[in-house]
Amino acid sequence: KNEVEQSPQNLTAQEGEFITINCSYSVGISALHWLQQHPGGGIVSLFMLSSGKKKHGRLIATINIQEKHSSLHITASHPRDSAVYICAVGKGSNYKLTFGKGTLLTVNP
Amino acid sequence: DGGITQSPKYLFRKEGQNVTLSCEQNLNHDAMYWYRQDPGQGLRLIYYSQIVNDFQKGDIAEGYSVSREKKESFPLTVTSAQKNPTAFYLCASSILDRRHGYTFGSGTRLTVV
Repeated sequence: KNEVEQSPQNLTAQEGEFITINCSYSVGISALHWLQQHPGGGIVSLFMLSSGKKKHGRLIATINIQEKHSSLHITASHPRDSAVYICAVGKGSNYKLTFGKGTLLTVNP
Repeated sequence: DGGITQSPKYLFRKEGQNVTLSCEQNLNHDAMYWYRQDPGQGLRLIYYSQIVNDFQKGDIAEGYSVSREKKESFPLTVTSAQKNPTAFYLCASSILDRRHGYTFGSGTRLTVV
């Protein structure tokens, strides 16, 4: 079993829909990261969480440390949100990250 | 603007040749990382460095080598010993303060022909 599991693997939505992507992990962590990878390959860091909830524009990330679970929500989705969303966890003091396999989101107009 | 520059974006290599991928950052970050991405898999750590002149093997270091002679530079050499080098390679950096996240480069796609 992978240390970081994401669901769903693929997600197709219509413009305007509310999107949720889930991430579960099996180890104690120091922080959880949500990343966005566009078709060109470059990765952008969206959030880093160690507790609670963070919001940036239409993106919301939550984490439940007891349940070892995090969610990324996108409100009022738009075709430009189409990308791969990756969950990654950091543990210990050496700052290495363990990555999920990613969720491919396609938002149709 | 500060950031990470990876070059080249696309690279073709003949079997048996070594090739070096460049990663430069002007963020004054202490730590730098190299990751490999294959289709359907999560990113995997090749090497990382937290200080100049020191680096550590990651999970898949075999067939790769790195150097960290300057804080801003962390080149990765894919040697002929790497059995399956065709992949997408990402460089990242971070400061060692846990309140801050990571910055990623735009990646280099290496194809062995």
